[in-house]
Amino acid sequence: DAGVIQSPRHEVTEMGQEVTLRCKPISGHDYLFWYRQTMMRGLELLIYFNNNVPIDDSGMPEDRFSAKMPNASFSTLKIQPSEPRDSAVYFCASSTRQGATEAFFGQGTRLTVV
Amino acid sequence: QQPVQSPQAVILREGEDAVINCSSSKALYSVHWYRQKHGEAPVFLMILLKGGEQKGHDKISASFNEKKQQSSLYLTASQLSYSGTYFCGTYGSGNTGKLIFGQGTTLQVKP
Repeated sequence: DAGVIQSPRHEVTEMGQEVTLRCKPISGHDYLFWYRQTMMRGLELLIYFNNNVPIDDSGMPEDRFSAKMPNASFSTLKIQPSEPRDSAVYFCASSTRQGATEAFFGQGTRLTVV
Repeated sequence: QQPVQSPQAVILREGEDAVINCSSSKALYSVHWYRQKHGEAPVFLMILLKGGEQKGHDKISASFNEKKQQSSLYLTASQLSYSGTYFCGTYGSGNTGKLIFGQGTTLQVKP
């Protein structure tokens, strides 16, 4: 398996624009996590899915953020409208057995909002 | 809710030992340890499940004290390749499915 695949790797956008980040989890993994990493806040859990269903989105900072998982092999994280403070590295991770197996991380998307 | 790591940063010489601690205010089901190099994704090191087990590979090992809700990562005879930021991640008991990470501990190993 190619691992967790995220796209794009880098995104530069202007304030107010819509941004969509994409993630393809490892086949057979039924948990998917979206994290945001900044120097100030570290690795924050934004939302996680189990079997394509959003279970906990309490980490989503504002209504400007939304996430979907239309099928087992694809998830999106959307920011609309984007703001400079959204600049961060966004990681997607997937795992199998809840809590008992490792989470595999994608390479991340570095988002810069100017 | 977020686990607390200490220390925040460590500087070592090659061959020296280090301990990184992770503490949670909630009952834990498991503790995960990851290492992240600059500009890269976090890489899995090991998982400890409740039961007070200790694990290790090569010169890196970890312990988990379920009663105290604490875990420690031990790096012995450190190598230059150990440099990076170490994160502990915790799953709460009660099967919530949330993997939450501490703030990280930056380890720098100098020649």
